[in-house]
Amino acid sequence: QKEVEQNSGPLSVPEGAIASLNCTYSDRGSQSFFWYRQYSGKSPELIMSIYSNGDKEDGRFTAQLNKASQYVSLLIRDSQPSDSATYLCAVKQGGKLIFGQGTELSVKP
Amino acid sequence: SAVISQKPSRDICQRGTSLTIQCQVDSQVTMMFWYRQQPGQSLTLIATANQGSEATYESGFVIDKFPISRPNLTFSTLTVSNMSPEDSSIYLCSVEPVAKNIQYFGAGTRLSVL
Repeated sequence: QKEVEQNSGPLSVPEGAIASLNCTYSDRGSQSFFWYRQYSGKSPELIMSIYSNGDKEDGRFTAQLNKASQYVSLLIRDSQPSDSATYLCAVKQGGKLIFGQGTELSVKP
Repeated sequence: SAVISQKPSRDICQRGTSLTIQCQVDSQVTMMFWYRQQPGQSLTLIATANQGSEATYESGFVIDKFPISRPNLTFSTLTVSNMSPEDSSIYLCSVEPVAKNIQYFGAGTRLSVL
C-alpha cells in the first residue's frame, strides 16, 4: 500500500463545475496535510494546508480533512480552464513531505 | 513565502559527467530539501540538507551519487555525479521557513543526460 494515494485521473470537468480531488494516507499519526498545484513544466505551488478535522476554505478552494478515515480532499468551486493542472496531495511524516502521484485536472470551456 | 533561486534552470549533459545545482533562498530557513521528479511522475525526496553536517538521504539515494552541501542557512547545492540517461529528471529544491510548517519550491532544474 502506497503511503499517499490519489486518483491519477485525468479528471475532466466542465467550466463552472465543482472539481473534487481525493487523497488517502496510511500513517495514522500524520498531522499536516497540503495540496500543491503543478502546471506543466512548472514547479509545485502551495494551494492549501490543513491540520484539523473539518473544512478549510480559501476563495474557490476548500480542503477537507477526516483523520479517522485518513482522508483529505480538495474541492474547487466554479472551475476555470486556468485550474487545469496536476494537483499533488502531500502528507508530512517525520518532518518530510510524502507526495501522492498527483491527479491531473482538465477544465473544459 | 520565501524567494528561492535555483540554478541552472536546465542543462544538457554528457554521460559520465557531473552537474552541481544551486539553491539560494532570501531568508534563513529551518529545512532545505532536494527532490527528484522523473518524467510523468510525482516528487521523490532525495535528501534533507542539514546545515553544517552531512545530509540525510532517503532509501535508494546515496551520498556518492548525490553529494549535498549546506554551508549556511540560506544556501545548498546538489551534485548529480557520474550521470547516466536514467538521471534525466527535474530536480527541485524546497525550503521550510523558520516557524512555518510549509514547504516552498524553487523553479527546478530540468536535466537531460545524453
